[in-house]
Amino acid sequence: DAEITQSPRHKITETGRQVTLACHQTWNHNNMFWYRQDLGHGLRLIHYSYGVQDTNKGEVSDGYSVSRSNTEDLPLTLESAASSQTSVYFCASSPGPRDTEAFFGQGTRLTVV
Amino acid sequence: AQSVTQLDSQVPVFEEAPVELRCNYSSSVSVYLFWYVQYPNQGLQLLLKYLSGSTLVKGINGFEAEFNKSQTSFHLRKPSVHISDTAEYFCAVRSLIASKIIFGSGTRLSIRP
Repeated sequence: DAEITQSPRHKITETGRQVTLACHQTWNHNNMFWYRQDLGHGLRLIHYSYGVQDTNKGEVSDGYSVSRSNTEDLPLTLESAASSQTSVYFCASSPGPRDTEAFFGQGTRLTVV
Repeated sequence: AQSVTQLDSQVPVFEEAPVELRCNYSSSVSVYLFWYVQYPNQGLQLLLKYLSGSTLVKGINGFEAEFNKSQTSFHLRKPSVHISDTAEYFCAVRSLIASKIIFGSGTRLSIRP
């Protein structure tokens, strides 16, 4: 079955380190998204992509970057991890502009110490 | 731009009682509306969606929601809840012309036996 997978599921890193979270989908969806989930804030959009070589900033993009070199993957990089970036990160994908809902991965719990 | 307000951060109810989770949205353009559910330690899955047509939308697990354009609301209801409905529920919105989905802050539904 087609799916969307995130790795790792759990990560502990130190302040100042660069961290990359992986997201891989096998649906051949054009759209991919990264969200962070924090208590009281719900899910907030970090970055998104509508296709290969396309990336866009979301509402909380500072300190994060993404690149889209193929359809299947949208890795999220924290350039210099900060304690404020301790969160649960969700990747999602959707087929295209005429389609509606997004499909979510299982999440990555990141702790910055 | 779109935004979503979920008026209740937590809703406790007794088993077999009815429940309503409230959601209001703001948008200058027409939108699609969604309710997602997140069970403990899992990703998000779609409960139901409103695209167009009938304002009463039925979803999985006996949930339904009603779109009210004049009040810009999309409240979620279930006539009789079960312990298994314990989860966090997210209302979300996207415009018809952009694929990014904006989420509310979530409502935690807790069911008392």
